[in-house]
Formats: sequence, C-alpha cells, structure tokens
Amino acid sequence: EAGVTQSPTHLIKTRGQQVTLRCSPISGHTSVYWYQQALGLGLQFLLWYDEGEERNRGNFPPRFSGRQFPNYSSELNVNALELEDSALYLCASSPGTGRLTDTQYFGPGTRLTVL
Amino acid sequence: AQSVTQLGSHVSVSEGALVLLRCNYSSSVPPYLFWYVQYPNQGLQLLLKYTSAATLVKGINGFEAEFKKSETSFHLTKPSAHMSDAAEYFCAVSESGGSYIPTFGRGTSLIVHP
Repeated sequence: EAGVTQSPTHLIKTRGQQVTLRCSPISGHTSVYWYQQALGLGLQFLLWYDEGEERNRGNFPPRFSGRQFPNYSSELNVNALELEDSALYLCASSPGTGRLTDTQYFGPGTRLTVL
Repeated sequence: AQSVTQLGSHVSVSEGALVLLRCNYSSSVPPYLFWYVQYPNQGLQLLLKYTSAATLVKGINGFEAEFKKSETSFHLTKPSAHMSDAAEYFCAVSESGGSYIPTFGRGTSLIVHP
C-alpha cells in the first residue's frame, strides 16, 4: 500500500513569490492535514480538509490557503512568501471518520526555503 | 485548551541504556495522547497512542508509555536504546469533544552514543 506522497521534495523561492505544494493521501483516506514544521517550533497545524471541504484552520494568515480535489489529493498554496515561511511542510492523511483516535499518516514533507 | 510540554529538547543516552522521554499535557477533558517519531529527512510515524483503554500502552520498536492522570504525564520509555532509535520524538494530545486537531509538543531529539 502506497503511503502519503508529497511533491516537490525541496523548493527554493524568493520573498514575495507564490508556491504550491501537493499531497496525495493513502488510498481510501478522505482527510488531509497540513502542518508547518519550522526549526525548533515543532509542528504547527495549518489546515484540515475532509471530503473536499475545509474543516478547520490553524492560526495562520490568509495567504496560506489550500484545497482538496475529488480524488482527495490536496494542494497548499502560500502567497507573498516571507523569510519566516521557510520550513518543512508536512501532509498527513487519515480515514476521515472524524474520530480523535484516528491515526494520522504523514508524508515525507516538502522543504521550502525562502531567500 | 489543550497543550503539550516536552521536557528537554535533547536527550542523550548510551546504547543499551534506558530511554526516557518526558511529556506533560494540559487538557480540560479526558485526552487522547500520541507519540510520533521522525527519522532524518522523513515524515512522522506513529509509535503508540492512548485512547482511554489501558494506561500502559505498548508501541512499535519496543517503546511503551504510561498514562498518569494524577501527574498529567505520558512519558515514553524503552528499556534498552539502539543506535537506530536516534531520531526526533513528538508527543501530541487531542481532546475528546474537541476540534480533531492534535496539538504537538516541540519535540525531543534522542541521541544514542555507542
């Protein structure tokens, strides 16, 4: 069974640019979560999508947005990049039953560097 | 509101020694608790989770954790460290009746010396 996949692996952008990160969940999973892992800050929750809808959003500015497609894959868009957006962006998926005990399965992440 | 504190950003042990990684949580309702491991250049992998059943939870790779309500703790242990255990470990908490989004600690880096 294929795990969660993310693309690209690495990305280098400059301030003010826009970036799109992609995530494919495990087959059969309908929930996708996005996290930002900045150095020394642990994981910060960004967005949760389930069945194509945004279910919850973390404490991030509106320039962080995303969507989920009918095949449950997801995109994370970041506009007007700032230096502090440099981080590892992790995507996770779960079966989407809404149970708190559901395990989240993580992808390897996309390393974004903003210069 | 839920929160997690991991004591010690780095823990260093010798191969074969006991591993103890500390996690304390804050939650206004019964929590669900998780430990994840992150190997270099990889995503997170679930080690174990507490979901209000047995207070002693056994996970993969010989790790276990004990839920202690009186101490609001969920420390991770392993009797004998292996070199392959060197990684970043994250504790996370979810609240029953909450937003379904776990709150993660800042992580503890486990260093294993030969």
